[in-house]
Amino acid sequence: EFVLTQSPATLSLSPGETATLSCRASHVNNYVAWYQQKPGQAPRLLIYDASNRATGIPTRFSGSGSGTDFTLTISSLEPEDFAVYYCHQRNNWPRFGGGTRVEIK
Amino acid sequence: QVQLQESGPGLVQPSETLFLTCSVSGGSIGSDYWSWIRQPPGKGLEWIGFISHSGGTTYNPSLLGRVTISIDTSTNQFSLKLTSVTTADTAVYYCARTELSGPLFYMDVWGRGTTVTVSS
Repeated sequence: EFVLTQSPATLSLSPGETATLSCRASHVNNYVAWYQQKPGQAPRLLIYDASNRATGIPTRFSGSGSGTDFTLTISSLEPEDFAVYYCHQRNNWPRFGGGTRVEIK
Repeated sequence: QVQLQESGPGLVQPSETLFLTCSVSGGSIGSDYWSWIRQPPGKGLEWIGFISHSGGTTYNPSLLGRVTISIDTSTNQFSLKLTSVTTADTAVYYCARTELSGPLFYMDVWGRGTTVTVSS
């Protein structure tokens, strides 16, 4: 069965630091998307096709990787970046990773 | 710009049918793909299914037999029907515009979500 595994589950950082989030797929697929979700809000698309920023997304968000290993990097964390992040792929049918919570240290 | 709005009852009885509608404004429903996603309280996201502008559907295998997504291009709406609901179907339900091209798949515009509670 196709599985997306995100790590770490929680990342504790201070504003201004860099966040590095990992997403590992159980099967090869180069087409990962990343979403940000804040409490009480719908998810927001950040990155599609592994490295393309969605419309209006700040340049401090970047995506990389291919095959089975993908990374979302948030450079110089802003206060509004503390949220939960999900990776997402379609392999037969779409799945989400379990999420990484980026919290204020 | 395209906006989506979910609507439907907030409370459904166990074993009954959940029915939600997503209204699309600012653009035509007749040229894209459209998904439903849900999120149980305190948990992660689960994709339910999607429909094309021509009515073709794909569903999460875990919900096969209970889920139906339909589209009405005359009203710019698409809908979700989930039968035989249990408390495990309690969640926030989102609708979203979906980009689909081969293996490339992502949801770029989301509704705000609607909370559905299954309880007697």
